[in-house]
Amino acid sequence: DAGITQSPRHKVTETGTPVTLRCHQTENHRYMYWYRQDPGHGLRLIHYSYGVKDTDKGEVSDGYSVSRSKTEDFLLTLESATSSQTSVYFCAISEPLSGGYEQYFGPGTRLTVT
Amino acid sequence: AQSVTQLGSHVSVSEGALVLLRCNYSSSVPPYLFWYVQYPNQGLQLLLKYTTGATLVKGINGFEAEFKKSETSFHLTKPSAHMSDAAEYFCAVRGNSGNTPLVFGKGTRLSVIA
Repeated sequence: DAGITQSPRHKVTETGTPVTLRCHQTENHRYMYWYRQDPGHGLRLIHYSYGVKDTDKGEVSDGYSVSRSKTEDFLLTLESATSSQTSVYFCAISEPLSGGYEQYFGPGTRLTVT
Repeated sequence: AQSVTQLGSHVSVSEGALVLLRCNYSSSVPPYLFWYVQYPNQGLQLLLKYTTGATLVKGINGFEAEFKKSETSFHLTKPSAHMSDAAEYFCAVRGNSGNTPLVFGKGTRLSVIA
């Protein structure tokens, strides 16, 4: 257990509304990631962070923004939700500097945009 | 750029039979390779990893994988399938530096038939 929680775990929202998902970790890991999982696509990286206020885009970043104002929290915002953003969203952490590179995942948030 | 190809989106085996899930990778740096398992409605769990050293690595739940550089492969095996092995399995390779996220395959769903 890497001490990762995600909130909310389930959310239904309407098209055009903003949505924020939260990832919280308790072990002071430097690197955090947001992925979305869709059938036939596996996991696709949305954004990631390598420190407070240091973030970078992944392969499917359009329509999403992130913020990390403190080490333990990494927020993912859908600025104006669309039906194509219906998905399961996973947060992950890692500590590459320890040489492991492996990532540990949270339980996921299932988002439905109607 | 790093990439992972998992051959077969769905594999079905009988209980007690050999499990073989295929993964081929490309990497511009020495590969660190990972297998993850995802049970229904859960996050991803690390099964095993290869970094350096012994090319046959053992993981949890009786799974193992062999790194074959000449074949750019990292196939996952288990001698005898159990009903509880039914899940989705993801192969991943590290990014091209310690600062970049893992690159995942699209996943293989394993079904186990009684």
